[in-house]
Amino acid sequence: QAVVTQEPSLTVSPGGTVTLTCGSSTGAVTSGHWPYWFQQKPGQVPRTLVYDATSRHPWTPARFSGSLLGGKAALTLSGAQPEDEAVYHCLLSYNSAWVFGGGTKLTVL
Amino acid sequence: QVQLVQSGAEVKQPGASVKVSCKASGYTLTRYRLHWVRQAPGQRLEWMGYINSDSGQTAYSQTFQGRLTITRDTSASTAYLELNSLRSEDTALYYCTIQIGGNLYWGQGTLVTVSS
Repeated sequence: QAVVTQEPSLTVSPGGTVTLTCGSSTGAVTSGHWPYWFQQKPGQVPRTLVYDATSRHPWTPARFSGSLLGGKAALTLSGAQPEDEAVYHCLLSYNSAWVFGGGTKLTVL
Repeated sequence: QVQLVQSGAEVKQPGASVKVSCKASGYTLTRYRLHWVRQAPGQRLEWMGYINSDSGQTAYSQTFQGRLTITRDTSASTAYLELNSLRSEDTALYYCTIQIGGNLYWGQGTLVTVSS
């Protein structure tokens, strides 16, 4: 069973830029893993920010962007806001089975 | 709109079984695959398995093979998760979720507590 890895925690200054990554124990993350990124705040269900590595939803703030970078899926936040403080989860698909990363706790400070 | 409404919290003793339901509305249950995901306190989201609601075909994470059964009742637009031989590590929030158009729709979660 694959293991998906994320940074456990990151800190960004208000207005700053940070990149979260999502790697796979099986090798490079590709579009065939259909990467998803979710934001989860305490007491809430996860909210989809990015799907299929780079696609955003209408409710996804423009400051969030997804990419494939250096063999990993990446979520870049440009111009961090205090309300972006949350846990960010990535999800990869392996032949219809899902594997979540461990989540990155993002602090805006 | 799509809604997934789950059954209420459960408290179980070690070794017991639990069955959680997930009632779908706003879409046809048989059109989409329904997944179960759990989240233990302070832990990562963990995929458990899915059911193809039209055929009833299931797939399970190796972590739960032999302990987990996912079923559905199409007439009631409801899917079920049953987990056997519960242990303390199974204490978690259990979510049903479906994937439509690049979005995941989630139930509100069902807290299962395993304690003697």
